[in-house]
Amino acid sequence: NAGVTQTPKFQVLKTGQSMTLQCAQDMNHEYMSWYRQDPGMGLRLIHYSVGAGITDQGEVPNGYNVSRSTTEDFPLRLLSAAPSQTSVYFCASSYWGSDEKLFFGSGTQLSVL
Amino acid sequence: DAKTTQPNSMESNEEEPVHLPCNHSTISGTDYIHWYRQLPSQGPEYVIHGLTSNVNNRMASLAIAEDRKSSTLILHRATLRDAAVYYCILRDVEGYGGSQGNLIFGKGTKLSVKP
Repeated sequence: NAGVTQTPKFQVLKTGQSMTLQCAQDMNHEYMSWYRQDPGMGLRLIHYSVGAGITDQGEVPNGYNVSRSTTEDFPLRLLSAAPSQTSVYFCASSYWGSDEKLFFGSGTQLSVL
Repeated sequence: DAKTTQPNSMESNEEEPVHLPCNHSTISGTDYIHWYRQLPSQGPEYVIHGLTSNVNNRMASLAIAEDRKSSTLILHRATLRDAAVYYCILRDVEGYGGSQGNLIFGKGTKLSVKP
């Protein structure tokens, strides 16, 4: 199994550009989420989804949009990139349950100039 | 607000046991305690989780206080490969007011292992 796949691994954007970070999982997980991690910091939750068609905001949702049209995919959209969005982004997924463990992707390193 | 509190950093010597503490004084009866770790330049990975009883797996042990307001991740013999940031989180998708999908990781504990 591929697990959680994130693309691209690296991306450089100019201020104001838009882009979509892709996240796909092949484990039929209901729950998917996006985190950002700034240097020396922990993980901060951006958005999450508990199933197809259902999304909700996390701690730091401003500047990001998400949608969940299928169980497998959970893309993260930056509509107008800003330097403050320079970060490493991680996608995670799991079955829905309090005792279910999260699986993380390998991350996307994004730089906004 | 973060539901768990961990020390920012800890040091250990190689091949010695390491006890990583986590406080969760507002834990609810349906919160599971999860531990993850993040090796340098990698995504986080699952370590262990539990509800009330102590748990063991091939990576570590989890000791949960009787009142469940704190827990300790135990690495029995630290190796250089265990140097990482360790995160303690609570997960509750069923209880009233539970975290549902809003899983807060915080900054974790950075573990350094000296040879």
